[in-house]
Amino acid sequence: DTAVSQTPKYLVTQMGNDKSIKCEQNLGHDTMYWYKQDSKKFLKIMFSYNNKELIINETVPNRFSPKSPDKAHLNLHINSLELGDSAVYFCASSQGGSTGELFFGEGSRLTVL
Amino acid sequence: SQQGEEDPQALSIQEGENATMNCSYKTSINNLQWYRQNSGRGLVHLILIRSNEREKHSGRLRVTLDTSKKSSSLLITASRAADTASYFCATDVGGSEKLVFGKGTKLTVNP
Repeated sequence: DTAVSQTPKYLVTQMGNDKSIKCEQNLGHDTMYWYKQDSKKFLKIMFSYNNKELIINETVPNRFSPKSPDKAHLNLHINSLELGDSAVYFCASSQGGSTGELFFGEGSRLTVL
Repeated sequence: SQQGEEDPQALSIQEGENATMNCSYKTSINNLQWYRQNSGRGLVHLILIRSNEREKHSGRLRVTLDTSKKSSSLLITASRAADTASYFCATDVGGSEKLVFGKGTKLTVNP
């Protein structure tokens, strides 16, 4: 069974559209994250939730809205997509925050045309 | 803001050789972690070293940490073609919940 699963794996859409990426983890972890990896492979944290509560909210445009319906799920909704949003978005989870290892999903490659 | 910087950005070696990658960081940390990312895949945790540790081993991996110099190194011994990947260091910024990644070192191991 996949520990951290994200859907969809690939997403191609037009500028201005709204899209969502879903993430689920079956590891029983309390903390979940969204990271964005740009074309130069630079990985930047966007959000983190601990037991459904937002604990990290980096300087991200408010077009990005995370939602955690329960501690096993963390979804990312993006409104009014822009060309610069094209990237690979990774979901991750951990037990105990940054004191432990992160388990990553396989990524969702978003291409905005 | 970026915390870790890996060096070199790219490294190409022959199978059987050792590969050394370095990471420098800026602020105090509780721990430093190394991850591997195969092309088109998610990151996989390799090893975690705490700020009070100086060296750690895991199989063919050896990690060192020098908190006075704010630097760490990852050594992969007897490299294999399957070790071809990007390697990232990550640190918790000032003991916060935030794990910040460097830009990575792209390692190519030629058969």
